[in-house]
Amino acid sequence: QKEVEQDPGPLSVPEGAIVSLNCTYSNSAFQYFMWYRQYSRKGPELLMYTYSSGNKEDGRFTAQVDKSSKYISLFIRDSQPSDSATYLCAMSIKTSYDKVIFGPGTSLSVIP
Amino acid sequence: DSGVTQTPKHLITATGQRVTLRCSPRSGDLSVYWYQQSLDQGLQFLIQYYNGEERAKGNILERFSAQQFPDLHSELNLSSLELGDSALYFCASSGGRLAGSEQFFGPGTRLTVL
Repeated sequence: QKEVEQDPGPLSVPEGAIVSLNCTYSNSAFQYFMWYRQYSRKGPELLMYTYSSGNKEDGRFTAQVDKSSKYISLFIRDSQPSDSATYLCAMSIKTSYDKVIFGPGTSLSVIP
Repeated sequence: DSGVTQTPKHLITATGQRVTLRCSPRSGDLSVYWYQQSLDQGLQFLIQYYNGEERAKGNILERFSAQQFPDLHSELNLSSLELGDSALYFCASSGGRLAGSEQFFGPGTRLTVL
């Protein structure tokens, strides 16, 4: 079982839809959770950075962390064609010698 | 623009050759991370440097090495290249020394080994 799992998609939605992207993980020690957006052949761009459980909102984006279920989500409201990209979840323990573990990414297409 | 720069953007070389990829972190960031991204492996952490010292190692092959210089730029050296080394190589930087700190990625170097 991989440490971080993510449905690779592709996920296709109409413009204006609410998008739900999810990741599950196996290591209960993860404390820091991130979502990155990656456009084709570009570097990943940090969207959300959260600590422990709970919700965090930033504009049209909401990140949710449920540590009891080892499940994190990213919601995109009023999706736009410019949101079409691959979304990577990432997480870490943030100890001295830890590293960030990335999910494989979900490909999203928002159709005008 | 993340503030992280990488050169070159593209690199085409032959098997058995050696190449050097260069990364300049965001102003003020002390940590540099290197990642490899291929279609079948996703984003794989290779190595982290903090203020000139190696901090953490991931799935980095012995044929690969890296260093961070006093001006904080970093280089990733790939030698005895194989076809399977063809991938996107990303550099990221963060202000903290812990790997879980927010990381900002550069645009990447696309390496093609023929």
